Amino acid sequence: AAGVIQSPRHLIKEKRETATLKCYPIPRHDTVYWYQQGPGQDPQFLISFYEKMQSDKGSIPDRFSAQQFSDYHSELNMSSLELGDSALYFCASSPLRGEHYNSPLHFGNGTRLTVT
Amino acid sequence: AQKVTQAQTEISVVEKEDVTLDCVYETRDTTYYLFWYKQPPSGELVFLIRRNSFDEQNEISGRYSWNFQKSTSSFNFTITASQVVDSAVYFCALRYGQNFVFGPGTRLSVLP
Repeated sequence: AAGVIQSPRHLIKEKRETATLKCYPIPRHDTVYWYQQGPGQDPQFLISFYEKMQSDKGSIPDRFSAQQFSDYHSELNMSSLELGDSALYFCASSPLRGEHYNSPLHFGNGTRLTVT
Repeated sequence: AQKVTQAQTEISVVEKEDVTLDCVYETRDTTYYLFWYKQPPSGELVFLIRRNSFDEQNEISGRYSWNFQKSTSSFNFTITASQVVDSAVYFCALRYGQNFVFGPGTRLSVLP
């Protein structure tokens, strides 16, 4: 079965640079989530989209932005990178409506961002 | 506020032992959903099991079983006859509406 696809798998950037992470959700999933997981931490919610509209915001810094496109893929844009942004970034998708009210999040394999 | 607590930071067991991972949640919602995820050393987050707030029936699926007790807001997860491949960080998660919150995780080490 198709899974959530994230790219790139690994990314190394220097401080103050920008980074763009991409996510392709499972087909027919109407909701996309972005999470950040620091070393030894649980995943922290950043932002979510429902049917291409931003639906909720968590602890996402102002330096980060995200959007979902007409083909449902999503991108997380990160600017003025800081050392503390080094983390594993997960994208997840889920169907939320109708009979899928109890669906779990299906996660991609994550993008490991290292800021030097 | 919605919150998930996993009091066990790390657990070590010897292969073939049974192990139970504890999860306690807080929510004011009457309808919510609970999940367990596994994160092996390779890093991916794998969905394991789910439970609805209105269904307290406990189940067994292979070597996994779970005990959902609404009265104590607990959703414990048991691995029977543990194997080395079960070594991972396990996260309990709560869904309320379209939001999900994760517990801090329990690192399980299964020793040969």
